[in-house]
Amino acid sequence: LAKTTQPISMDSYEGQEVNITCSHNNIATNDYITWYQQFPSQGPRFIIQGYKTKVTNEVASLFIPADRKSSTLSLPRVSLSDTAVYYCLVVPTGGGNKLTFGTGTQLKVEL
Amino acid sequence: DAGVTQSPTHLIKTRGQHVTLRCSPISGHKSVSWYQQVLGQGPQFIFQYYEKEERGRGNFPDRFSARQFPNYSSELNVNALLLGDSALYLCASSSGPGQSNEKLFFGSGTQLSVL
Repeated sequence: LAKTTQPISMDSYEGQEVNITCSHNNIATNDYITWYQQFPSQGPRFIIQGYKTKVTNEVASLFIPADRKSSTLSLPRVSLSDTAVYYCLVVPTGGGNKLTFGTGTQLKVEL
Repeated sequence: DAGVTQSPTHLIKTRGQHVTLRCSPISGHKSVSWYQQVLGQGPQFIFQYYEKEERGRGNFPDRFSARQFPNYSSELNVNALLLGDSALYLCASSSGPGQSNEKLFFGSGTQLSVL
């Protein structure tokens, strides 16, 4: 199981772009990279998932370099409501329901 | 459509007691998994059920057990509660058995306090 490393915390201001980088040096060929967001007293919420290159949805973008040993979650123009914990996960084949969460990155957005 | 629903939302028990937590998955989802989240840490995997069969078990003692019913709802049981069992218990559902590109939908959890 590939271990992930991401910053413990990040601070930003409203309207800025936030990039959270996660390293996963031991990622296996068939593993997917998935990001979840969690607000206090709520369950995690799926943000985005990718295998390689770039993925974009209405919430975020995910950049994955060719060697797949890292990934970067990009949140455009953050607002106060984006203050949350962001988890980077590497999901192996058959492991889609047995997720391994680390401690995540606490993003704090201020005015 | 309703999301994943969990009950109760909050629960207070004393050491040595037993607790049952309940989860209803999103309509059409056949997989339910349970997670324990201690304050300040990420969720930790406890169990996964798919089509009423256990498909995975995390590193938790035998005091923890679960089951899935024909309507795909699920119960998590914890016996002989310890102070360290105090946590937010999360249920997640998905449509499939656990492909690596599946998306999990989490409930808001049950906050268990053991005194």
